[in-house]
Amino acid sequence: DGGITQSPKYLFRKEGQNVTLSCEQNLNHDAMYWYRQDPGQGLRLIYYSQIVNDFQKGDIAEGYSVSREKKESFPLTVTSAQKNPTAFYLCASSRGRERSYNEQFFGPGTRLTVL
Amino acid sequence: GENVEQHPSTLSVQEGDSAVIKCTYSDSASNYFPWYKQELGKRPQLIIDIRSNVGEKKDQRIAVTLNKTAKHFSLHITETQPEDSAVYFCAASYRDDKIIFGKGTRLHILP
Repeated sequence: DGGITQSPKYLFRKEGQNVTLSCEQNLNHDAMYWYRQDPGQGLRLIYYSQIVNDFQKGDIAEGYSVSREKKESFPLTVTSAQKNPTAFYLCASSRGRERSYNEQFFGPGTRLTVL
Repeated sequence: GENVEQHPSTLSVQEGDSAVIKCTYSDSASNYFPWYKQELGKRPQLIIDIRSNVGEKKDQRIAVTLNKTAKHFSLHITETQPEDSAVYFCAASYRDDKIIFGKGTRLHILP
């Protein structure tokens, strides 16, 4: 379970506020991912990054932004433009570079609640 | 577009019986198919995976089969136990390290 961490575990935000979720990994992985998990919806990809200073939109990127300034870090900002931000957010990492074995390792998640 | 369909969404089996979860994928270029287990309140963890050059893989009570022609893969759990109760996700890799997940199957093991 170790190697990829997320903080905080629980986060409360008022409507109209931006909030940033932290994700750090010490696995020396090139690729990092952000997923949103809602009941009955599975894991939906928000953004992913294959390498430092580069990232791509996933299926539900609207209202979110990311940065990848360091290999170890991939923070996610939930902006006020996200219409329904209350959800469980999971960060993951993998060796990446389109290697054939691409197991993803997940962080413990952050539960965001908009009040 | 890229898609992974997973069925059923909920599955209840008697303890000791077998459970089967099925997935289909859309992109014939996919070459890696992992299965993740997520227990309540915990993070998903890999339980088994299969690559496109293999048709079947087994690990104790868990097995996965892959039919590339039909773009279909399945998870089989035999001799189910209470600790198998969880949500199971299939996934398929696509280009650019992207992995798409199915919507999950909630497995209940009945005593």
